[in-house]
Amino acid sequence: DAGITQSPRHKVTETGTPVTLRCHQTENHRYMYWYRQDPGHGLRLIHYSYGVKDTDKGEVSDGYSVSRSKTEDFLLTLESATSSQTSVYFCAISEVAGLGTDTQYFGPGTRLTVL
Amino acid sequence: GQNIDQPTEMTATEGAIVQINCTYQTSGFNGLFWYQQHAGEAPTFLSYNVLDGLEEKGRFSSFLSRSKGYSYLLLKELQMKDSASYLCAGMDSNYQLIWGAGTKLIIKP
Repeated sequence: DAGITQSPRHKVTETGTPVTLRCHQTENHRYMYWYRQDPGHGLRLIHYSYGVKDTDKGEVSDGYSVSRSKTEDFLLTLESATSSQTSVYFCAISEVAGLGTDTQYFGPGTRLTVL
Repeated sequence: GQNIDQPTEMTATEGAIVQINCTYQTSGFNGLFWYQQHAGEAPTFLSYNVLDGLEEKGRFSSFLSRSKGYSYLLLKELQMKDSASYLCAGMDSNYQLIWGAGTKLIIKP
């Protein structure tokens, strides 16, 4: 299994508070991704990173920001949490993107509840 | 627009064979992935197809027809541990994955 951890694994917070989720990898993979997963929807890409300090927006980036200061860490911040951001958040990594044969490996997920 | 369609839920019997279908529309195409996800866990990679035809991996096989925008995952000799959701994802021209909502497979004894 790819070495990917996420913290915290569970979090309950209140509307309007900032929240930061952390993804840590030990694989030295270049690409890292943040997804959210909600019932009835496929995984939806929030942001991704293609290197240290190189990030880009995904399909559902509003209300989220990211940072990657080291290869191994990718942080997702909810600037002011809302109830619509209650979800399960998955981090994924891949070694190389763009070849069509790359595979994304997922972390264990963080279950976030915004009250 | 981009879209992945797969059935919401399927039921099958232990020891039997089940086929989970997926149709896709993506802007450009760089392959089709299948993942397995047990309840409360992370998705795990099962298969990748980029050329037409069947790829076999033990009890699991995956098929792709690019002209029809169609794929299926075939599970043989079903076991209770195969009860899970199966996620279909197409890779578009930007090498981003477009995900279906998943098919929940229920295995009955």
